[in-house]
Amino acid sequence: SQTIHQWPATLVQPVGSPLSLECTVEGTSNPNLYWYRQAAGRGLQLLFYSVGIGQISSEVPQNLSASRPQDRQFILSSKKLLLSDSGFYLCAWTLNTGELFFGEGSRLTVL
Amino acid sequence: QKEVEQNSGPLSVPEGAIASLNCTYSDRVSQSFFWYRQYSGKSPELIMSIYSNGDKEDGRFTAQLNKASQYVSLLIRDSQPSDSATYLCAVNKNDYKLSFGAGTTVTVRA
Repeated sequence: SQTIHQWPATLVQPVGSPLSLECTVEGTSNPNLYWYRQAAGRGLQLLFYSVGIGQISSEVPQNLSASRPQDRQFILSSKKLLLSDSGFYLCAWTLNTGELFFGEGSRLTVL
Repeated sequence: QKEVEQNSGPLSVPEGAIASLNCTYSDRVSQSFFWYRQYSGKSPELIMSIYSNGDKEDGRFTAQLNKASQYVSLLIRDSQPSDSATYLCAVNKNDYKLSFGAGTTVTVRA
C-alpha cells in the first residue's frame, strides 16, 4: 500500500532563516505531488505541484520554492522566511484519479 | 467569487442526528468532487468521492451531487462525537489541481 511521510512535524524558525520541508511517497511510481499551506482557520492553498522529476508548477508568487529531485521526493524550501510563512504545510500525492492523499503535515511558526 | 464555497459553521448537532453539509462550486466544467475530514491539528483525510449526479452512500456517509445546480452535499447519519471535525469540500476540473473550500466545522453534542 502507498504511504506518504513528511518531516519535520513541527518547527519554530526566526524571520530570515532558511526552510526545508521534505516529503516522500512509498509504494507507488510517478505520482503527482503537491504542497499545500493552511493558515490558521483558513482553507487549503495550493503552493506547488509536480507531475514528474524536475517539473514544478507554482501557483502563487512567494518566497518559497519547491524541487523534485527524485520520483517520490518533494522538497519545499525558502532562503529567508517571513512572518506570513507561518502555517500548516501539507504534502500530498495522487495518481490522476483526483483523490488526494495527505501526509501528516508540518507546522511552521515563524517568530 | 470563490471556486468552492462552504458554510463555515459551526454546525452543532445532537448525537444520533443527521448532519447536513453543503458545498457549491463556480466552475461548471468541474468533474470530480471530494469530501475530506480534518480533525483539529491533523491533516485532511479523504472520506468520500463522487463523480456523477445522484447519491453515493458509504456507511453512515452519503454524498449528493447535482451538477446542474453546481452543488454537492454530505450527510452524516447517526452522528457520533467522533464525527466532530472540520469537513472540507474539494473540486477537480480534471487538471492536476484540487480546489478546496474553507471547511465546515461540525460539533456533535453527546
